[in-house]
Amino acid sequence: EAGVAQSPRYKIIEKRQSVAFWCNPISGHATLYWYQQILGQGPKLLIQFQNNGVVDDSQLPKDRFSAERLKGVDSTLKIQPAKLEDSAVYLCASSPERTIYYEQYFGPGTRLTVT
Amino acid sequence: RKEVEQDPGPFNVPEGATVAFNCTYSNSASQSFFWYRQDCRKEPKLLMSVYSSGNEDGRFTAQLNRASQYISLLIRDSKLSDSATYLCVVRLNNAGNMLTFGGGTRLMVKP
Repeated sequence: EAGVAQSPRYKIIEKRQSVAFWCNPISGHATLYWYQQILGQGPKLLIQFQNNGVVDDSQLPKDRFSAERLKGVDSTLKIQPAKLEDSAVYLCASSPERTIYYEQYFGPGTRLTVT
Repeated sequence: RKEVEQDPGPFNVPEGATVAFNCTYSNSASQSFFWYRQDCRKEPKLLMSVYSSGNEDGRFTAQLNRASQYISLLIRDSKLSDSATYLCVVRLNNAGNMLTFGGGTRLMVKP
């Protein structure tokens, strides 16, 4: 079974530029998550989708971050404009709609450096 | 106060040692508990769920104390391959079944 795919794996941009990340979840997984993981910290949830609807985006800085999952499959996360403090690994995860274990499967992440 | 707190470590232990990690959580409405493992520059992966009665998976034992809002992970007979960051994770019983991650405890097992 193919895992969660993310691209690009690495991105370096200057502050005030914009950047977009792409995620393709495990086939059939209805729920998709975007996390931000700053070095030395645990992942922090930015947004959660159930199919193509938003379940939770309470921790998404909406003045600069946006995300969409138009067809209920793959998703994009955008930052515009980027700030130095956005330097982090952006992890995408997915899970089945019904699971007794609540396990989330993570992609390899996109490592963003803002200079 | 952080929702899920862990000692960041690092814990440096020799091969064969027994090591224990602790975690506290602040939200008493938390429903499910997990330990995830994250290797250096890799993504987190589920290590094990934590049940109220305590559970064991090979060399790993997890315990939950709901009254004290405390979770633990014990690793016996440490291997070099156990070197990683261990993330304590809590699930709230909300609509999205959101997971909240602790900051992680780093373990380094030395020969």
